[in-house]
Amino acid sequence: DADVTQTPRNRITKTGKRIMLECSQTKGHDRMYWYRQDPGLGLRLIYYSFDVKDINKGEISDGYSVSRQAQAKFSLSLESAIPNQTALYFCATSDSDRPEQYFGPGTRLTVT
Amino acid sequence: GEDVEQSLFLSVREGDSSVINCTYTDSSSTYLYWYKQEPGAGLQLLTYIFSNMDMKQDQRLTVLLNKKDKHLSLRIADTQTGDSAIYFCAESPRSNYQLIWGAGTKLIIKP
Repeated sequence: DADVTQTPRNRITKTGKRIMLECSQTKGHDRMYWYRQDPGLGLRLIYYSFDVKDINKGEISDGYSVSRQAQAKFSLSLESAIPNQTALYFCATSDSDRPEQYFGPGTRLTVT
Repeated sequence: GEDVEQSLFLSVREGDSSVINCTYTDSSSTYLYWYKQEPGAGLQLLTYIFSNMDMKQDQRLTVLLNKKDKHLSLRIADTQTGDSAIYFCAESPRSNYQLIWGAGTKLIIKP
């Protein structure tokens, strides 16, 4: 079984809809992250969380919110989706004592 | 500000060595990383190097770091078709919580 899972893997939604992307991990890591990937731009950090009570904005947090429901779960919400939020979204985890981040398989989101 | 730059494409013949280059701007970076993304897949950590090292080797992979020039490279020996992917360079300018990413280099393997 994968250590970092994301659901759904693909989603098409309409402008103005609320949508939630979910991430779960079995690695026991305390840190979790949400990134978006756009062609030619690499990855950009949306939000990150060092533990259940610690949530921080990343480079591009506007239009997004997150919830850390448990150490193993970190969800990303788009309150009112817009077309320029069409992208590939990745969740990642890391251990506070280690520099490596481990990624989920990604969620491809299309906003029409 | 912080910036990481890579060429968008690299084409090599199967069996040759591939060298993917990356430059970064933040001299305070503590770790530098190489990730691999295959089509339709997530990002796989290939290797990383601590900033006080010049070189790291792991089987077919060799990472070279020139801290003076802020230049990082990934060499893949005996390139195979399974190495076709996008390779991302990333740096960690502060203590391990935020990675700054390059745009990725697509490695194309010619038969």
